[in-house]
Amino acid sequence: AQSVTQLDSQVPVFEEAPVELRCNYSSSVSVYLFWYVQYPNQGLQLLLKYLSGSTLVKGINGFEAEFNKSQTSFHLRKPSVHISDTAEYFCAVSGNNFNKFYFGSGTKLNVKP
Amino acid sequence: GAGVSQTPSNKVTEKGKYVELRCDPISGHTALYWYRQSLGQGPEFLIYFQGTGAADDSGLPNDRFFAVRPEGSVSTLKIQRTERGDSAVYLCASSQPRTGGGELFFGEGSRLTVL
Repeated sequence: AQSVTQLDSQVPVFEEAPVELRCNYSSSVSVYLFWYVQYPNQGLQLLLKYLSGSTLVKGINGFEAEFNKSQTSFHLRKPSVHISDTAEYFCAVSGNNFNKFYFGSGTKLNVKP
Repeated sequence: GAGVSQTPSNKVTEKGKYVELRCDPISGHTALYWYRQSLGQGPEFLIYFQGTGAADDSGLPNDRFFAVRPEGSVSTLKIQRTERGDSAVYLCASSQPRTGGGELFFGEGSRLTVL
């Protein structure tokens, strides 16, 4: 079985500051890792994903994440956030057949002016 | 642009009633997923279709929940004898597993409130 832990339910940050949203997973098999974002009143959309290759993955809107197999982590980072980044962010894990995705409980990023 | 469409967007019903939620996926997507999101939680897997068949229904909480996808496109999630604990946002997502690299495309969800 697989599971995802997002320890921070809310992260307040000032505009133009850096941010890191933490994600840890557990799995007995190889996994694929994803970050999704949900803006207010919208559906979830993909930010970035790790399938294989370079452990540093770049996504949309200046976000990046690093896969760390030994730490079983996939933390999301952005060097300088904007007000428009205010949203809820979900980390997810899947096996290599994409049959089932396990999501974390989400982190609400609140960017303040 | 045709994304994933879910209807109704909001449904209020009384305990014990029957409810149907509809999902119209992106054209050509063979995979379709239903998830349930309760307040303060992440999406919880319910069922996965590949084509017309339910490839994995291990997330359905009990036999009051059932889903179909008869022609491999539109799917309906059916909930019998609704209970207050069924109140949640029901999310549908579609994907093209062979070429999409696991990316899920989500609808905006159907918010179900059971009184």
